[in-house]
Amino acid sequence: DAGITQSPRHKVTETGTPVTLRCHQTENHRYMYWYRQDPGHGLRLIHYSYGVKDTDKGEVSDGYSVSRSKTEDFLLTLESATSSQTSVYFCAISGDANEQFFGPGTRLTVL
Amino acid sequence: RKEVEQDPGPFNVPEGATVAFNCTYSNSASQSFFWYRQDCRKEPKLLMSVYSSGNEDGRFTAQLNRASQYISLLIRDSKLSDSATYLCVVPFTDKLIFGTGTRLQVFP
Repeated sequence: DAGITQSPRHKVTETGTPVTLRCHQTENHRYMYWYRQDPGHGLRLIHYSYGVKDTDKGEVSDGYSVSRSKTEDFLLTLESATSSQTSVYFCAISGDANEQFFGPGTRLTVL
Repeated sequence: RKEVEQDPGPFNVPEGATVAFNCTYSNSASQSFFWYRQDCRKEPKLLMSVYSSGNEDGRFTAQLNRASQYISLLIRDSKLSDSATYLCVVPFTDKLIFGTGTRLQVFP
């Protein structure tokens, strides 16, 4: 399996609090992605990175920010969590922007 | 038209059956395609890549029809362990577009 971990794996938080999710890889892949997965919507891209300090928005980026200061780490921040951001968040990595390999996911509940 | 469309299922089939899923896509410029498998409450895992007309890996065959813009996944001799959701994935620039998945349930 690709060396990719996510932390935390589960989190419960309250509306209005900031939340940061971490994705860590040991594959030295150039591309990293954050998705959310909700029933009926499938996987939707939030933000992605194509190199250190190089990031771009996906289709559902409102309310989220990202940072990538090192090749191996990609952080997703919810500045002020809302109940609509309750979801399962997956990080993925790719060496060539084609095949992607996913982390185990983070289950986030915003009360 | 959605970028990637799949029949959500579920497809309920007995062990040993052959089952096929179709997926249609809208971006005619896409050159490669993927099928991912996702078990309940787990991450998606790459099942097959399709770069030309098709690909075969054991009991699994993926076929591509560029003229009609659809991809199919055929599973022969279904096993209980094949029960999962199968995601059709189409690249677009440096991103992947995921279908919502087709659920397969194999029963004894």
